[in-house]
Amino acid sequence: EDKVVQSPLSLVVHEGDTVTLNCSYEVTNFRSLLWYKQEKKAPTFLFMLTSSGIEKKSGRLSSILDKKELFSILNITATQTGDSAVYLCAVDGGATNKLIFGTGTLLAVQP
Amino acid sequence: NAGVMQNPRHLVRRRGQEARLRCSPMKGHSHVYWYRQLPEEGLKFMVYLQKENIIDESGMPKERFSAEFPKEGPSILRIQQVVRGDSAAYFCASSPSRGETQYFGPGTRLLVL
Repeated sequence: EDKVVQSPLSLVVHEGDTVTLNCSYEVTNFRSLLWYKQEKKAPTFLFMLTSSGIEKKSGRLSSILDKKELFSILNITATQTGDSAVYLCAVDGGATNKLIFGTGTLLAVQP
Repeated sequence: NAGVMQNPRHLVRRRGQEARLRCSPMKGHSHVYWYRQLPEEGLKFMVYLQKENIIDESGMPKERFSAEFPKEGPSILRIQQVVRGDSAAYFCASSPSRGETQYFGPGTRLLVL
């Protein structure tokens, strides 16, 4: 059965810290891996990764994919309280593009 | 460009009633996906539709649930004879074509009393 596992389940840090969130996956037909940030409402899109070893960056956030070891990491540097959210990892399982989600990592950034 | 719109944002139903959830995709998007998020769980795929067609409904419960995406108007997720276990957040996502990034709406939070 296809699955996506995220770790840690939750994380509490202080402003200015750097955090690394992990996502590992086992899917039959991998097409891409996506990261979303979920606050109280809609998951908002962060990154889509399709190729190994190519880092995607957006401000203080960056992500990379390793298709050989079947995992991805999401880095957030110089964290701010506004980064507090649930970070979701999802894999596009191929044929019909349904996303398979992990349970998320709850990040709390304290002032 | 407005994002994905969902309504209502909150819906309260008594057991046995029907729930209708609506999703208007982003402008230019013709692919719609529905996901359900149960309390303390991750999002789970339910159904994928393109205009007037159901492409993949492998995540949809076999009974009481149905979905449509007509030629005109929003996509509708319909739950008949709701039970307490249907209480969840239902998210809709859309993409311009198959394989492209899915953008999510704000969700409808269904509470069954």
